[in-house]
Amino acid sequence: QVQLQESGPGLVKPSETLSLTCTVSGGSMFSYFWSWIRQPPGKGLEWIGHMYYSGSTNYNPSLKSRVTISVDTSKNQFSLKLSSVTAADTAVYYCARAAVLHYAVDVWGQGTTVTVSS
Amino acid sequence: SYELTQPPSVSVSPGQTASITCSGDKLGDRFACWYQRKPGQSPVLVIYHNSRRPSGIPERFSGSNSGNTATLTISGTQTMDEADYYCQAWDRSTVVFGGGTKLTVL
Repeated sequence: QVQLQESGPGLVKPSETLSLTCTVSGGSMFSYFWSWIRQPPGKGLEWIGHMYYSGSTNYNPSLKSRVTISVDTSKNQFSLKLSSVTAADTAVYYCARAAVLHYAVDVWGQGTTVTVSS
Repeated sequence: SYELTQPPSVSVSPGQTASITCSGDKLGDRFACWYQRKPGQSPVLVIYHNSRRPSGIPERFSGSNSGNTATLTISGTQTMDEADYYCQAWDRSTVVFGGGTKLTVL
């Protein structure tokens, strides 16, 4: 079965760029949306954006100016870059797989905590 | 921007039926799904495409979506169902989550 694993720094300084990678194992990246979702402390889930395996992307309008999601199907990985971070970007970040037909996330990573602090 | 509204909390007695609502403008025109999240765990999909259950999800979970409201119904609620529940909608472009509902079974 497909498994997802996030990796990247757990601490990022304000104004710098947060970079995370998700490694996909046990399945193909074709014909799915590959997504990033986060949950700030004490708050609900927030969709950051997703990329179709072909490269097309959709981003949360509130984050669009700072977000880049890319995919490397040869490595079975996809990545998140979030620039100019502030304390408000502190959250648990999940990578996830969603079905194309109806966008429901059926596979989640375990989540990785990213803290923005100097 | 599009918003989904859920009640912050719902309480139910074991064995009874719990209903959690999710409201949004013309939500019935979008695909809605529901996730269960227990402390320390990643969310689990319990309903997709408005009313379909993924493999492995008990039959007591059901969903509907019409007009401005999607509803998650848990029949014969068990103590193991105590969790946070999030609705989510997709308009073929952007994805929106509701604020979440804490379901207490007592």
